[in-house]
Amino acid sequence: DAKTTQPPSMDCAEGRAANLPCNHSTISGNEYVYWYRQIHSQGPQYIIHGLKNNETNEMASLIITEDRKSSTLILPHATLRDTAVYYCIVRENTNAGKSTFGDGTTLTVKP
Amino acid sequence: DGGITQSPKYLFRKEGQNVTLSCEQNLNHDAMYWYRQDPGQGLRLIYYSQIVNDFQKGDIAEGYSVSREKKESFPLTVTSAQKNPTAFYLCASSHLGQYNTEAFFGQGTRLTVV
Repeated sequence: DAKTTQPPSMDCAEGRAANLPCNHSTISGNEYVYWYRQIHSQGPQYIIHGLKNNETNEMASLIITEDRKSSTLILPHATLRDTAVYYCIVRENTNAGKSTFGDGTTLTVKP
Repeated sequence: DGGITQSPKYLFRKEGQNVTLSCEQNLNHDAMYWYRQDPGQGLRLIYYSQIVNDFQKGDIAEGYSVSREKKESFPLTVTSAQKNPTAFYLCASSHLGQYNTEAFFGQGTRLTVV
């Protein structure tokens, strides 16, 4: 699995969009970008994933650059409950849980 | 409701004792995984299994053992050989294949060895 780089921490005002970046310059053609989040002392929760195209679901949007070397997770209207550690992972779409979780980005949403 | 259940949530053991952590899923997932998480760090893979009666070592398997006798269950034993067993342990499961392969995680077991 390709290595990812994320900022260690970010702040966001409640109600504003949170944009979390991830660099994955060594991603290969068959690797997907996955995002999970982990609220303190709980198990990680799947958010979204994509291969080339931008994706949106009820939780977030995922923007992947054309060269696929970086991506951004967007939480459109952050709430206090979105405060968590966000993990960006790149992997092939097999052995789903056999993923390398780095230290992630700690997002703090402030009132 | 379908999901993945880890028990107990908190576990205390004396040094030198083996301890077994439970993980059960009713999602009909083929694959199951165990991760370890230390404070302020990401997750590290201990063992994984893609099929009953078969499993593979992850990045930090030393001092741990697993079994996969049933599709629904993947217990992890922390043996006395594990030098620093105090940690947060997470179990996950997923489908295998090309689609819908995101991992589902349990709520974790926090093991403290004294």
